[in-house]
This record gives sequence, C-alpha cells and structure tokens, in this order.
Amino acid sequence: EVQLVESGGGLVKPGGSLRLSCAASGFTINKYTMNWVRQAPGKGLEWVSSIDSSGNYINYADSLKGRFTISKDNAKNSVYLQMNSLTAEDTAVYYCARKIPIAVAGAGDYWGQGTLVTVSS
Amino acid sequence: QSVLTQPPSVSGAPGQRVTISCTGSNSNIGAGYPVHWYQQLPGAAPKLVIYDDTNRPSGVPDRFSGSKSGSSASLAITGLQAEDEADYYCQSFDSSLSYVFGSGTTVTVL
Repeated sequence: EVQLVESGGGLVKPGGSLRLSCAASGFTINKYTMNWVRQAPGKGLEWVSSIDSSGNYINYADSLKGRFTISKDNAKNSVYLQMNSLTAEDTAVYYCARKIPIAVAGAGDYWGQGTLVTVSS
Repeated sequence: QSVLTQPPSVSGAPGQRVTISCTGSNSNIGAGYPVHWYQQLPGAAPKLVIYDDTNRPSGVPDRFSGSKSGSSASLAITGLQAEDEADYYCQSFDSSLSYVFGSGTTVTVL
C-alpha cells in the first residue's frame, strides 16, 4: 500500500527555519517525481516544489524567491523541504505528493495527510 | 490569485448533474497541457478523480467525467450523491515550468 507521511511542521517565528520530511512506503521514490504542495488556511492549493526521480531536476514556485530547498534521501525513501526566512504568508498545511506516473504533469496520485506550519510571533 | 479560474461554488439536488469549469490561458491548458481534477473532503488531503483530461483512476465512480476544449476544461458529476460534497480543484502545467491549480469549487448537495 502506497503511503506518504509528512512530519516536521509546527510553530515558528517570522524569519525562522523549518525542515519538513515526507516518508514514503509502498514504492521507491527513486522511480518517481515528488512534489510539495501547500494550502493556506481556508485557501486553495499551491504547488511549492518538485524533485525528479534522479534528483537532478528540481523546480520551485517563483513566489518562494529562493527561500526553500527540496532534497531527498533514496536510502531512507524520504523527501525533504528546507524552509528559510519564513513569513506569515508561509503559514499553511504542507502536503507531499507523488507525481502521477502515467499522466503528463499531474501533481499527485497519492498524497500525505499534510503537516501544518504556522509562522507567528 | 490562482492561474486557473473556477466558479466558487456549484450546487445540485441528489441525483442531478453538476459541472465545474476550469479556465486557463494559452500558456497552460491552451498550450495543450492536460488537466487533472482533485476532490478534497473537509479536513482531508486532496484525492485524484480525473487525470489527463478524461481518465478516471481505479476506484473512482464513473459518475465523474472530464472534458477539455481550447483553454478550458470541465468536471461533470452525474447522479450527485451526498458523499460528493467537497471542494474540487483543477490542475495543469504552465510554460513557466510550474504546476498550476484552480481556485477551487465547493460542491454542495442540496
């Protein structure tokens, strides 16, 4: 059974940093592109970042302005999102998703339950 | 401000048919990128219901169908059921190399 479990969310002060983790099971991430998608409270979905199966192709939403870094550890079958210089606008539930393997540019066929990041003083 | 535009809400009685539109531009849907649809129940993660414009993943009822024309796409739900009450999001890809989502539509079963 495919599962994605995010962790690492919490309360952080403006300007602070946080590292999110996404542990995958039921498949190996070295064969799939993985995405991070966030959802601010009461708002819609927003794509954050992608990392392909090789780890060589990485992409970010323009709005992040270089503050976030995606990475992965194939040995741990996990994907990470390092978030720096956080602001209140980064407050959201962060979802990890597996790109739809049989579709063109589909964000996710499997999603984690999400981890809440709250940026507040 | 979402790149893809959806109506904020649609509603229908049980058994009726509702449709949700998703309007993009020449840099995403109009450029030929396919559209995918997600259902999000309250407090839950998104769930894929349509991929590549018209395809249903295994386990999704055939009451859900998708279509696309030009720079727009639609999700139809026929035989509306109480369990279909949720938020629905369209998603495509943009020539700026970004995944883009719609603004979301709340489906209410009357």
